[in-house]
Amino acid sequence: GQQLNQSPQSMFIQEGEDVSMNCTSSSIFNTWLWYKQDPGEGPVLLIALYKAGELTSNGRLTAQFGITRKDSFLNISASIPSDVGIYFCAGRRGTGNQFYFGTGTSLTVIP
Amino acid sequence: DTEVTQTPKHLVMGMTNKKSLKCEQHMGHRAMYWYKQKAKKPPELMFVYSYEKLSINESVPSRFSPECPNSSLLNLHLHALQPEDSALYLCASSNGQGNSPLHFGNGTRLTVT
Repeated sequence: GQQLNQSPQSMFIQEGEDVSMNCTSSSIFNTWLWYKQDPGEGPVLLIALYKAGELTSNGRLTAQFGITRKDSFLNISASIPSDVGIYFCAGRRGTGNQFYFGTGTSLTVIP
Repeated sequence: DTEVTQTPKHLVMGMTNKKSLKCEQHMGHRAMYWYKQKAKKPPELMFVYSYEKLSINESVPSRFSPECPNSSLLNLHLHALQPEDSALYLCASSNGQGNSPLHFGNGTRLTVT
């Protein structure tokens, strides 16, 4: 199946720093989702985006649905140690039930 | 707490065993999914059920057999697995409509010996 290109692959940052990651596709998507996954657990939904240009926040997290509909961005402000984990984007073309996942960004926060 | 419940949390099975993974959701969702995930990799879609009918099978080997007894339950029957099938198996659900994200369970960690 199609994979989305997610970057960076990994990040090592100091506590308190801001984080940015993005997800790109060669196809247009109608839905973008951002998840965080801790070891041994399932992905947890952080933010869902349904309209081009949409900017949505969830606490210190902000995500945007790119205007071209081929990309999405996630920002984390003032990182804390519990932000450690793997972040995945996921996208859906049309209104079907098939979601495509990004390759993941592994985030390490150094206290 | 996740609203998608998966059992068991861990499973170790031999290559000749038959076992089943179970998933349950009570959010009224009409689409249910099985994903397979290897360490540090994204989830890979295996099967999708929509309104209790199999709608997507991503060319999964027949040693994996899904079943959707009703709109709240999803099973994955396992038989004659290989060691390379060891992975985290994730169940997910959505309401099957346009503005609906995927909600995941915490997965079953499967080890095939």
